[in-house]
Amino acid sequence: DVKVTQSSRYLVKRTGEKVFLECVQDMDHENMFWYRQDPGLGLRLIYFSYDVKMKEKGDIPEGYSVSREKKERFSLILESASTNQTSMYLCASSLFGTSGGSNYEQYFGPGTRLTVT
Amino acid sequence: DQQVKQNSPSLSVQEGRISILNCDYTNSMFDYFLWYKKYPAEGPTFLISISSIKDKNEDGRFTVFLNKSAKHLSLHIVPSQPGDSAVYFCAARVGYQKVTFGIGTKLQVIP
Repeated sequence: DVKVTQSSRYLVKRTGEKVFLECVQDMDHENMFWYRQDPGLGLRLIYFSYDVKMKEKGDIPEGYSVSREKKERFSLILESASTNQTSMYLCASSLFGTSGGSNYEQYFGPGTRLTVT
Repeated sequence: DQQVKQNSPSLSVQEGRISILNCDYTNSMFDYFLWYKKYPAEGPTFLISISSIKDKNEDGRFTVFLNKSAKHLSLHIVPSQPGDSAVYFCAARVGYQKVTFGIGTKLQVIP
């Protein structure tokens, strides 16, 4: 059974704090992703990684950084948390695949509800 | 600029009837389309997908239709069940990595 776990379900942090969100997958997937979900905006991609130590910016990378030191672990870092980063954060992983009809759907973790006060 | 659009934020359907969720896209480079279902307090789960070279894919009660000329896809659920009540996200992919999601449609199936 595939599994993506996130370190916390709920997190409350103060403005200016450095925040680490951890994600671990046990499926030996090459790709890992961080999204945030906000009402009326759907899922927006923050960063993704297709290999260890590799990272690519998504659609909304500002204010975030990531780290992938091991294949199974992908961390999202908020260098200085702000109130507009209050959101649901979702981690996902998928196999690495080429285009042309490959499925390789993403498997999601349960999410971390982060509140920045 | 939203490349994947779900214009109906919510939909209510009677149990046993058909649910039709719609999705429009603007990027003609998308080569794969997916639907995800999300229950409250859980991460999205993959439901069904379709390649751009096909126009229909069926899996049990779920069928996805793709109309490339109209840049439109739809998800049909027949018959609808109360357990189908969830938020449904349409998603599309260019290449092999990055997926673009719509904002979701909340489906309520009324017993």
